Amino acid sequence: DIQMTQSPASLSASLEEIVTITCQASQDIGNWLAWYQQKPGKSPQLLIYGATSLADGVPSRFSGSRSGTQYSLKISRLQVEDPGIYYCLQGYSAPWTFGGGTKLELK
Amino acid sequence: EVQLVESGGGLVQPGRSMKLSCAASGFTFSNYGMAWVRQAPTKGLEWVATISYDGSSTYYRDSVKGRFTISRDNAKSTLYLQMNSLRSEDTATYYCTRAPYWYFDFWGPGTMVTVSS
Repeated sequence: DIQMTQSPASLSASLEEIVTITCQASQDIGNWLAWYQQKPGKSPQLLIYGATSLADGVPSRFSGSRSGTQYSLKISRLQVEDPGIYYCLQGYSAPWTFGGGTKLELK
Repeated sequence: EVQLVESGGGLVQPGRSMKLSCAASGFTFSNYGMAWVRQAPTKGLEWVATISYDGSSTYYRDSVKGRFTISRDNAKSTLYLQMNSLRSEDTATYYCTRAPYWYFDFWGPGTMVTVSS
């Protein structure tokens, strides 16, 4: 199975701060990487697919990038509605696997 | 507006069966692959099973293979998950998701399944 190692496990940031979350794949997965945001008591919401493509309706402050087998989600200016848990997903091969999650809080 | 609404969860004893349903609306159900993803209490997300748009192909994680069956009724725009021989480790919120390609773009609110005696 492909392992997705997500970091950090948690972080605290201030409003308007730049936030970066990373996922390291255990092997090459190309651009078969998606990012999700989950708020408490809610179902996950798709943010990014294909490593860099923004999902419909997602604010442009969210962006995704790739460097080899490392993938990053960047929030350019943290807003009050952005705290939650963020997950990456690899869809290169079954079983599809998620990263362990990053809990983002407001400082 | 895409809507996915799960039902059928609840408390079940170990070794028993349960069938989840997901009613879809707001899109042409028969054009999309669908999947189930689960989340144990306070844990992360775990893919369970995927079915192709026409039901001809199905995929399962190893831990549920032979026990769970994903199926669909395109005439009723409904996705199912038949779960047999349930174990305590199957306790989770089960999400119905739309899978246009390899990723999941819309998720239902989830239904909780508790396996306990």
